[in-house]
Amino acid sequence: DAGVTQSPTHLIKTRGQHVTLRCSPISGHKSVSWYQQVLGQGPQFIFQYYEKEERGRGNFPDRFSARQFPNYSSELNVNALLLGDSALYLCASRPLGQAQETQYFGPGTRLLVL
Amino acid sequence: DAKTTQPPSMDCAEGRAANLPCNHSTISGNEYVYWYRQIHSQGPQYIIHGLKNNETNEMASLIITEDRKSSTLILPHATLRDTAVYYCIVRPHSGGGADGLTFGKGTHLIIQP
Repeated sequence: DAGVTQSPTHLIKTRGQHVTLRCSPISGHKSVSWYQQVLGQGPQFIFQYYEKEERGRGNFPDRFSARQFPNYSSELNVNALLLGDSALYLCASRPLGQAQETQYFGPGTRLLVL
Repeated sequence: DAKTTQPPSMDCAEGRAANLPCNHSTISGNEYVYWYRQIHSQGPQYIIHGLKNNETNEMASLIITEDRKSSTLILPHATLRDTAVYYCIVRPHSGGGADGLTFGKGTHLIIQP
């Protein structure tokens, strides 16, 4: 079975630009979460979505937004990029009803902001 | 969620048991201990979790002290592929809730050939 997939794998942007990252969950998983991992730190929770609605949000500014599509895939959007947004962006999925603690993570998208 | 303390790095010889400690002295009665690991260039991977009894699965064993203030993740026969950052997370069992996981810096385990 295919795991969580993310695209692109790597991305380079400049300050002030906008970026869209994409995630396809494991088949049958309806919940998708996004995390940001800055170099040397553990992942930090950004959003959780299921049934196309935001269900949870971490301590991130409004420049970060996301959405979930009818096929349960998801996009993370970041506006007005800052140098500090350079990070690995991870997507995780799980079936509805399964504990939040047992999530399945994708390989991530590495974003570099210059 | 309760705060956890882990050593920043550890070495272990290939084939030996790797014992990774985690201190969680402020753990509450309803909080579980979860372990994840992150191999280089991959996303985190769930390993195991427990409340107060010792747990074992195909990947590892989890030993929780009787007072629940600390725990040890045991990889019984470490291989080079076990080189990774290991995260200990303490939190209530969400039962499908909407808040995310809180990761610290974890322990970088290096398996030596």
